[in-house]
Amino acid sequence: GAVVSQHPSWVICKSGTSVKIECRSLDFQATTMFWYRQFPKQSLMLMATSNEGSKATYEQGVEKDKFLINHASLTLSTLTVTSAHPEDSSFYICSAHTLWGDTDTQYFGPGTRLTVL
Amino acid sequence: KNQVEQSPQSLIILEGKNCTLQCNYTVSPFSNLRWYKQDTGRGPVSLTIMTFSENTKSNGRYTATLDADTKQSSLHITASQLSDSASYICVVSSGGTYKYIFGTGTRLKVLA
Repeated sequence: GAVVSQHPSWVICKSGTSVKIECRSLDFQATTMFWYRQFPKQSLMLMATSNEGSKATYEQGVEKDKFLINHASLTLSTLTVTSAHPEDSSFYICSAHTLWGDTDTQYFGPGTRLTVL
Repeated sequence: KNQVEQSPQSLIILEGKNCTLQCNYTVSPFSNLRWYKQDTGRGPVSLTIMTFSENTKSNGRYTATLDADTKQSSLHITASQLSDSASYICVVSSGGTYKYIFGTGTRLKVLA
């Protein structure tokens, strides 16, 4: 099956620093990638939709200057959490969208645990 | 409003028992419905996917059903194992815009 990787799998940083998370589709091309965050015991919350070669579309309430998304190629999207603060601590998950025949589907990465001290 | 509701919120069963998780949706237009399993601290992993014309799909001990008329789906787990302890998420894809609507999930705990 399709594989999506994320790097790093976990990161601990000091308040005020920036953290970059990579999301790669390893064996297929993804014109669209999604970024989610998930708090403990809650479901995934869509942050933004990233389209290759264009600006990301952010969900209501998500600061685009805080969460910078770059989708430079069909296999790579990055999320940069700028000037991270403790409230940004969360589990960040990406997914890559593709079409298998007529069926649209998304494959999730393993997630990145961000802890801001 | 596009919504996906899952029940129960949480469930505890003994190892070896069967269980059924429910998913009701009001998404339109409808493209497909997926069930995912998410272990704690991991990304979701797809279990089954069903399009409008499919009413059942199996993946090992997991069997999903879909009733497109009543907009209901269920995930049946047979002979549960300790490793089945996880959150199960129902996700409906809205065709055309490829918008994915997530259910809030069911947390399953299997006890020895």
